[in-house]
Amino acid sequence: GAVVSQHPSRVICKSGTSVKIECRSLDFQATTMFWYRQFPKQSLMLMATSNEGSKATYEQGVEKDKFLINHASLTLSTLTVTSAHPEDSSFYICSAAQGAKNSPLHFGNGTRLTVT
Amino acid sequence: SQQGEEDPQALSIQEGENATMNCSYKTSINNLQWYRQNSGRGLVHLILIRSNEREKHSGRLRVTLDTSKKSSSLLITASRAADTASYFCATASISYNTDKLIFGTGTRLQVFP
Repeated sequence: GAVVSQHPSRVICKSGTSVKIECRSLDFQATTMFWYRQFPKQSLMLMATSNEGSKATYEQGVEKDKFLINHASLTLSTLTVTSAHPEDSSFYICSAAQGAKNSPLHFGNGTRLTVT
Repeated sequence: SQQGEEDPQALSIQEGENATMNCSYKTSINNLQWYRQNSGRGLVHLILIRSNEREKHSGRLRVTLDTSKKSSSLLITASRAADTASYFCATASISYNTDKLIFGTGTRLQVFP
């Protein structure tokens, strides 16, 4: 089955530093990947749609300069949280679309970010 | 917000009992999907039902869809302790030109042995 690998699984960083999270589709090509944020015991909130070879599409209220997304190849998207602050602490999850439009998404295992 | 809502928020049952979760959504959809999330992990796709379908089965799962009421239900029969997880519905809106999904608020299911 389709596998999406997300790294790191956990990261702790100091306020003001930047953190990069990688999302890779291991056995398929993904022209579109999605980045979600999840607070404890809450649902996933879509942050942005990452498009290979073009700019990401951000959801309303998400700061594009704060959450930089790069989709450099058909198998890799990265999310960089710039100048992280404690309020950025959260669980970040990526997903990738394979196959026909509206097919099920394949999810990474998430990254737990803690900003101290 | 376009986010759908699920109820109950939390559900505790004994092994062997059935678990029913409901989802309501706001937009016209191409399909509705159900996902499972174990604590601190990513999501796993369970089942997809298209807008022109009313019921679908997969193993111990049964999903219904009522587009007139903009609602869906997920039934897990003969539950097991291993079914303990959070369950989310997700909708693919007809107005989106990508595979974007909007997730419901989720139901936390606990199955006691």
